[in-house]
Amino acid sequence: QQQVKQSPQSLIVQKGGIPIINCAYENTAFDYFPWYQQFPGKGPALLIAIRPDVSEKKEGRFTISFNKSAKQFSLHIMDSQPGDSATYFCADSDNYGQNFVFGPGTRLSVLP
Amino acid sequence: ETGVTQSPTHLIKTRGQQVTLRCSSQSGHNTVSWYQQALGQGPQFIFQYYREEENGRGNFPPRFSGLQFPNYSSELNVNALELDDSALYLCASSLHWGARETQYFGPGTRLLVL
Repeated sequence: QQQVKQSPQSLIVQKGGIPIINCAYENTAFDYFPWYQQFPGKGPALLIAIRPDVSEKKEGRFTISFNKSAKQFSLHIMDSQPGDSATYFCADSDNYGQNFVFGPGTRLSVLP
Repeated sequence: ETGVTQSPTHLIKTRGQQVTLRCSSQSGHNTVSWYQQALGQGPQFIFQYYREEENGRGNFPPRFSGLQFPNYSSELNVNALELDDSALYLCASSLHWGARETQYFGPGTRLLVL
């Protein structure tokens, strides 16, 4: 069964730090790799996504770095804030390009 | 807010019972996907509906079934509930189907099976 691996499982940083979350995927047939952010009691929400024709994408304080040869992509959060404390999921497309396979999630805590 | 709503927010059932969960998609979104999220895990794809037809299914047994209606609402039905069905059930709507489409998730229904 197709898997998406994430690391670390949990992460604690001080305010202003730069947490980095890594994702390893299997399916290379499709070209869209999103990160979703989920707060307690809420559904996941799209944070940022990348297509592998670029190696990096920035949106505000959030950056995705993409390494196509290694089949990995990472989320960097610059100047992290306590409000960034949430669970982050990366996703890959399924083998039919129909839907997403989500990673197990990384729980981020940003201390004030 | 995503504009996707789900009801009820919480539900308690006993093993063997049946349950219906409801979702209201964003207006104009022809696709709805349902996911099961166990505690501490990522969402797992159950099935997807596009224009009222099932358009794909994950690794879930037939006792998980669904419906999509013309008014952008949909249902997830689970028969013969098992303890392992306890989870957060999420629906997500998108304009079209496909792994390049942004999916807008609802807040979920938390189901507890005793």
